[in-house]
Amino acid sequence: GAVVSQHPSRVICKSGTSVKIECRSLDFQATTMFWYRQFPKQSLMLMATSNEGSKATYEQGVEKDKFLINHASLTLSTLTVTSAHPEDSSFYICSAVPRQGAFGETQYFGPGTRLLVL
Amino acid sequence: AQSVTQLDSQVPVFEEAPVELRCNYSSSVSVYLFWYVQYPNQGLQLLLKYLSGSTLVESINGFEAEFNKSQTSFHLRKPSVHISDTAEYFCAVSEHGGGFKTIFGAGTRLFVKA
Repeated sequence: GAVVSQHPSRVICKSGTSVKIECRSLDFQATTMFWYRQFPKQSLMLMATSNEGSKATYEQGVEKDKFLINHASLTLSTLTVTSAHPEDSSFYICSAVPRQGAFGETQYFGPGTRLLVL
Repeated sequence: AQSVTQLDSQVPVFEEAPVELRCNYSSSVSVYLFWYVQYPNQGLQLLLKYLSGSTLVESINGFEAEFNKSQTSFHLRKPSVHISDTAEYFCAVSEHGGGFKTIFGAGTRLFVKA
């Protein structure tokens, strides 16, 4: 089946530093990837839609300068949290849609990255 | 705008008992519907989905859900739960023509007791 990986799985950083999270589709090409944020005991909130070769589309209220998204290839999207602060601590999850997927095709989710900003 | 409502935040149930997790949605266009399961500190796994055709869809581990267009519901059911079914369950919807963009419900914590 389709597998999506995320790296790192867990990261602890100091306030003010930047953190990069990678999302890779391991056995398929993905023209579209999504980035979600999940607070403890809450649902997933869509942050942005990442399309290969173009700028990401951010949801309302998400700071594009703080959460930099790069979708440089059909198998890799990165999320960089710039100048991280404790309130950015969260569980970040990516998902990928297969390139040949029919409309309404399933998204495949990564295992998530736990970010803790001290 | 589309939205998803999961009516129960927590559902405790004894092992081998039946369970229903409720989900209602609102949308002005046709939708695709999904149920995902999340185990602690893990990503989401697709449980089942409704794209078209038969309104009753089933998963390989005994769950089923029925799309009811008139009631705008997509409730998840299992006739007999196991301890291993303890997890967080998310109902989700994406609109036809919405480019795969998916909105998730708040989640329902299913807790199966021995």
